[in-house]
Amino acid sequence: NAGVTQTPKFQVLKTGQSMTLQCAQDMNHEYMSWYRQDPGMGLRLIHYSVGAGITDQGEVPNGYNVSRSTTEDFPLRLLSAAPSQTSVYFCASSFQGRGNQFSPLHFGNGTRLTVT
Amino acid sequence: GEDVEQSLFLSVREGDSSVINCTYTDSSSTYLYWYKQEPGAGLQLLTYIFSNMDMKQDQRLTVLLNKKDKHLSLRIADTQTGDSAIYFCAERTEGYKLSFGAGTTVTVRA
Repeated sequence: NAGVTQTPKFQVLKTGQSMTLQCAQDMNHEYMSWYRQDPGMGLRLIHYSVGAGITDQGEVPNGYNVSRSTTEDFPLRLLSAAPSQTSVYFCASSFQGRGNQFSPLHFGNGTRLTVT
Repeated sequence: GEDVEQSLFLSVREGDSSVINCTYTDSSSTYLYWYKQEPGAGLQLLTYIFSNMDMKQDQRLTVLLNKKDKHLSLRIADTQTGDSAIYFCAERTEGYKLSFGAGTTVTVRA
């Protein structure tokens, strides 16, 4: 099992450009999410999905789109990059086990994005 | 993570114990977690505690939970240079979602 795989590891964009951050997991987890990490602010939830075809907004969704066409993949799209989106982005997945117990989040290694 | 607060920095001498503190606000939290992030890497689960427990010990790690004060701590015994990292406290409040603190950067000095 590779776990949660994020690509690319690093990306530099110019203001106004668009791009997609990829996230894939091979653990058959129904829940996937995107966080951004900024110094002194911890991790903030951008978007999440509880299954294929279902997505919802987190606390900081503006400027980002997501889709979940398969269980494995959960790409994050930046529509028109802004310097405020310079951050480290993490994808994480989880599952609900027996007795409604939720597993801890499993994280990818992150994508470091710089917008100039 | 405005609902979860932790101090930003901790410096500790090698061999001493480290104690990282965290406060949270949601009394309905079911699980509380400690994650470790090494430079350039993702978050790795260190340990977690269910809300009906007061303490959990796992080798060098001891987690203490005070539900009345909504206070969580992580003690690392015999701190080593490999323990230098950012430590995040997180609470599970609703279904799958976790709320994270800002992270405590632990620096271990010789």
